[in-house]
Amino acid sequence: SQKIEQNSEALNIQEGKTATLTCNYTNYSPAYLQWYRQDPGRGPVFLLLIRENEKEKRKERLKVTFDTTLKQSLFHITASQPADSATYLCALGGRVTGGGNKLTFGTGTQLKVEL
Amino acid sequence: DTGVSQNPRHKITKRGQNVTFRCDPISEHNRLYWYRQTLGQGPEFLTYFQNEAQLEKSRLLSDRFSAERPKGSFSTLEIQRTEQGDSAMYLCASSLAQGLSYEQYFGPGTRLTVT
Repeated sequence: SQKIEQNSEALNIQEGKTATLTCNYTNYSPAYLQWYRQDPGRGPVFLLLIRENEKEKRKERLKVTFDTTLKQSLFHITASQPADSATYLCALGGRVTGGGNKLTFGTGTQLKVEL
Repeated sequence: DTGVSQNPRHKITKRGQNVTFRCDPISEHNRLYWYRQTLGQGPEFLTYFQNEAQLEKSRLLSDRFSAERPKGSFSTLEIQRTEQGDSAMYLCASSLAQGLSYEQYFGPGTRLTVT
């Protein structure tokens, strides 16, 4: 069955450093991969999408890489700030039964940026 | 545009009762999704609509769950004969099926507690 793994333990880093979050998947060939941010008690918020034919995507302080051979995506936040503290979810989509762009989510990684 | 809204935000019910949740998507979005999220897990796909047609349901979805989107606008999710295992956050998301746009916009969720 499809499996998506994200760092199960919380990631604590110092303000100004680069946070790197990992998303690994098995038994899946997604057409694209997305990253979402989720704050406590709120719905996920879309951050970035990267397609299977793309290696890297950037948006402001965010960078995503996608290696379909390793079946892995890395999500980087540079110059991290306390406001970046949240849970970050990896989600895969495309090429599943019924299509419709339904997403399969990982369990998320909790990031805490300390002063 | 105020984004995706969900009502109620919280619902406490006794086991065996029926509950109904409502989702109002972003007005021009033609796709609507329902997900369920439990503590420490990522959202889990339940079902999705394109306009008023329900195009996919999760195999894991009990027949106690039913969803409608009568005029292709708002949607309702009903759970009959609730069980304690139904306690979760129920998230609604919408998207525009157009071109290569795949990001989903989530509502704040309805937190269900079954006692």
